[in-house]
Amino acid sequence: NAGVMQNPRHLVRRRGQEARLRCSPMKGHSHVYWYRQLPEEGLKFMVYLQKENIIDESGMPKERFSAEFPKEGPSILRIQQVVRGDSAAYFCASSPPTGADEQFFGPGTRLTVL
Amino acid sequence: QQQVKQSPQSLIVQKGGIPIINCAYENTAFDYFPWYQQFPGKGPALLIAIRPDVSEKKEGRFTISFNKSAKQFSLHIMDSQPGDSATYFCAVLSGGYQKVTFGTGTKLQVIP
Repeated sequence: NAGVMQNPRHLVRRRGQEARLRCSPMKGHSHVYWYRQLPEEGLKFMVYLQKENIIDESGMPKERFSAEFPKEGPSILRIQQVVRGDSAAYFCASSPPTGADEQFFGPGTRLTVL
Repeated sequence: QQQVKQSPQSLIVQKGGIPIINCAYENTAFDYFPWYQQFPGKGPALLIAIRPDVSEKKEGRFTISFNKSAKQFSLHIMDSQPGDSATYFCAVLSGGYQKVTFGTGTKLQVIP
């Protein structure tokens, strides 16, 4: 049973470009969460999605950031017109639909904005 | 506002020592208190977790102590090993759904 998969593992973008980060949850998991981790800091919640629904996006910046979890395929975190301050590690986590408390984290995507 | 305060920021112990990491929270609605372990370049992994109906939980060399009235909980690592060197995060969750609020992390180094 494969764990949470994220790709790419490393992403380099120039200022103003778009970044697309992908997350495939564990098999059977229908809840996906995105977190951002700045260097030497803890993880900060960004958004919680279920299939085709955004449940809580209270941690998402109001502009340039969006997330989706379509019926088919991975969840996508999209950052438009990236700036240097977007450089961070972005982690995806998933949990089953039964309301279990444990979230399983992926290895993360490290975004560097030049 | 910071919902979870974690200390210390970093910790160095010798092999066999018992590092203790502390966390304090404010919101009494929290009802699930996990600890995560993160190695460099990896995602966090659940280490051990406790609910507020018990005061202590042990799993192997890891123990959580929970003080509901003080709104504090701590992680103890017995007989620490160099392989335990990692960053440890406490976290809190409340019922409804599982948005995890993390502490700021403690970087632990266990020296041989």
